[in-house]
Amino acid sequence: AQSVTQPDIHITVSEGASLELRCNYSYGATPYLFWYVQSPGQGLQLLLKYFSGDTLVQGIKGFEAEFKRSQSSFNLRKPSVHWSDAAEYFCAVGRSGGSYIPTFGRGTSLIVHP
Amino acid sequence: GAGVSQSPSNKVTEKGKDVELRCDPISGHTALYWYRQSLGQGLEFLIYFQGNSAPDKSGLPSDRFSAERTGGSVSTLTIQRTQQEDSAVYLCASSQYGRQGGYGYTFGSGTRLTVV
Repeated sequence: AQSVTQPDIHITVSEGASLELRCNYSYGATPYLFWYVQSPGQGLQLLLKYFSGDTLVQGIKGFEAEFKRSQSSFNLRKPSVHWSDAAEYFCAVGRSGGSYIPTFGRGTSLIVHP
Repeated sequence: GAGVSQSPSNKVTEKGKDVELRCDPISGHTALYWYRQSLGQGLEFLIYFQGNSAPDKSGLPSDRFSAERTGGSVSTLTIQRTQQEDSAVYLCASSQYGRQGGYGYTFGSGTRLTVV
């Protein structure tokens, strides 16, 4: 069974600073990988996804993520954080073989200081 | 509709009562998923529908939980004899074709269930 680990429960950054949120996964085959963002009281919004091909994927809101097979990682990055980026971020891995039901990590809460 | 709609947005119920949570997916999306999000936890998969069938219901935590989908559209998640540990946010998502779920799921805003 696949699993996802987000080692950081909380991350605090200053506005304008760079950001990296860590995600490690465990899956026997080539994974489908996702990052979602959840603002307070809202559902989850897809930031970006990786299926195959270029290991550096660009997403919405200036986010990008890099798939590193050797490290089983899919870290999310943003060069300059805005106060509106404060939210909960979830990494997910989709299992193949039919429904691609994603397994989610526990989430990382991003706090942005002015 | 334009997005995934869930109702009610908030539900407070007494322990032992039954509750029904509704999900209205995006029109044309054949795949529908229910997740549960507890405080400080990630999203816990509950059940997946493809059309009106549920090929995977492995995440339902007990026989008090059931779900159905009719007309390939609206889904209802029912929790019988609610317990305090059922308190959570219940999220619904839909996607176009199960096999293409990898293209991303659209989530509703969730139903916050509180059992008192």
